[in-house]
Amino acid sequence: DGGITQSPKYLFRKEGQNVTLSCEQNLNHDAMYWYRQDPGQGLRLIYYSQIVNDFQKGDIAEGYSVSREKKESFPLTVTSAQKNPTAFYLCASNRGLDSPLHFGNGTRLTVT
Amino acid sequence: GENVEQHPSTLSVQEGDSAVIKCTYSDSASNYFPWYKQELGKRPQLIIDIRSNVGEKKDQRIAVTLNKTAKHFSLHITETQPEDSAVYFCAALLAINTGTASKLTFGTGTRLQVTL
Repeated sequence: DGGITQSPKYLFRKEGQNVTLSCEQNLNHDAMYWYRQDPGQGLRLIYYSQIVNDFQKGDIAEGYSVSREKKESFPLTVTSAQKNPTAFYLCASNRGLDSPLHFGNGTRLTVT
Repeated sequence: GENVEQHPSTLSVQEGDSAVIKCTYSDSASNYFPWYKQELGKRPQLIIDIRSNVGEKKDQRIAVTLNKTAKHFSLHITETQPEDSAVYFCAALLAINTGTASKLTFGTGTRLQVTL
């Protein structure tokens, strides 16, 4: 189903390179989020944004950066400062507060 | 911040049996508790949620119960089917100081396998 598009599905990078993951939504949601998922662990919040031009650090923001220049878009950059970047990254959005989160299909990043 | 613990990490049941997954949370101010199902290689999808002013909620074969005093909530799946096999995540929302966004804290997940 549509709503949130993440690209690419798989991404490979060499250590020391920055990489940007794309997230676009057409649900007209104000709030957007980036989560990281590792095997055996739950989803951990990296960054979130409540409105355009505003974003806040989540629980594991170190080594990551985001921007929110448009309501529809919330790209995540994984910088070379992230010590263990290989993971599955999920973007999500909602209307805010306790409304349901809608997730994208995720991007699996492998850094070697 | 909030801390959510989820048990068990794996659960195997026979088709037709019931499955119960339990979560505990640490902050009594948390007021919203969703459950997500993630099939292999797919995105998490909301299956049911409950708010702190309700003790139980049902949707067909799925139910969630909430005990605010003990700070735990549980997912109950009855008459399990093979298509229920997936990883299930609980989460808790602590709305204080997060504005309008939903700063959910997730449990570590339960891998449910329904065998024939």
